[in-house]
Amino acid sequence: EAGVAQSPRYKIIEKRQSVAFWCNPISGHATLYWYQQILGQGPKLLIQFQNNGVVDDSQLPKDRFSAERLKGVDSTLKIQPAKLEDSAVYLCASSLGSTPLHFGNGTRLTVT
Amino acid sequence: SQQGEEDPQALSIQEGENATMNCSYKTSINNLQWYRQNSGRGLVHLILIRSNEREKHSGRLRVTLDTSKKSSSLLITASRAADTASYFCATEKIQGAQKLVFGQGTRLTINP
Repeated sequence: EAGVAQSPRYKIIEKRQSVAFWCNPISGHATLYWYQQILGQGPKLLIQFQNNGVVDDSQLPKDRFSAERLKGVDSTLKIQPAKLEDSAVYLCASSLGSTPLHFGNGTRLTVT
Repeated sequence: SQQGEEDPQALSIQEGENATMNCSYKTSINNLQWYRQNSGRGLVHLILIRSNEREKHSGRLRVTLDTSKKSSSLLITASRAADTASYFCATEKIQGAQKLVFGQGTRLTINP
């Protein structure tokens, strides 16, 4: 079974620029998650989708972050405009039910 | 917000020794999960223990759960260099937002 695919692997941008990350979950997994992992910390949930509907986005900074999951398959996470504190690894995960989660290798974002 | 608190934050042992990591949490849970993260990679699910279970084994892994103390431990026996990674506990809450919440992690180093 192919794993969760994420791209790009690395991204360096200047503050106030915009950036987008892409995720393709494991085939058949209805639930998709975006997590933010700051260096030295555990992952923090940004948004959870069930098919193409949002289940939980309570910790998504909606003034600058947006996410969509069109057709209930792949998903994009966008940051506009980026701030220095957005430097982190952005992890996408998917699951068949609620658990366990299968993670991609993440996108490491550096904002300068 | 982080629900689980891992202890210790970092652990360094010799190959062949046992490694024990602890996790404490705050609210009632459906289950508690342990994940491993190798440097630069995504998280990998190791084991899940439900709230009505007290102990679970998987290969060299042994997990215990004490719901009265709101704590769990992960024991890795006969450690190997390949076990070097960060280990995270994650709790699935009974209700409310943020259903799966990760702790800060324990960084385990196995010295050959």
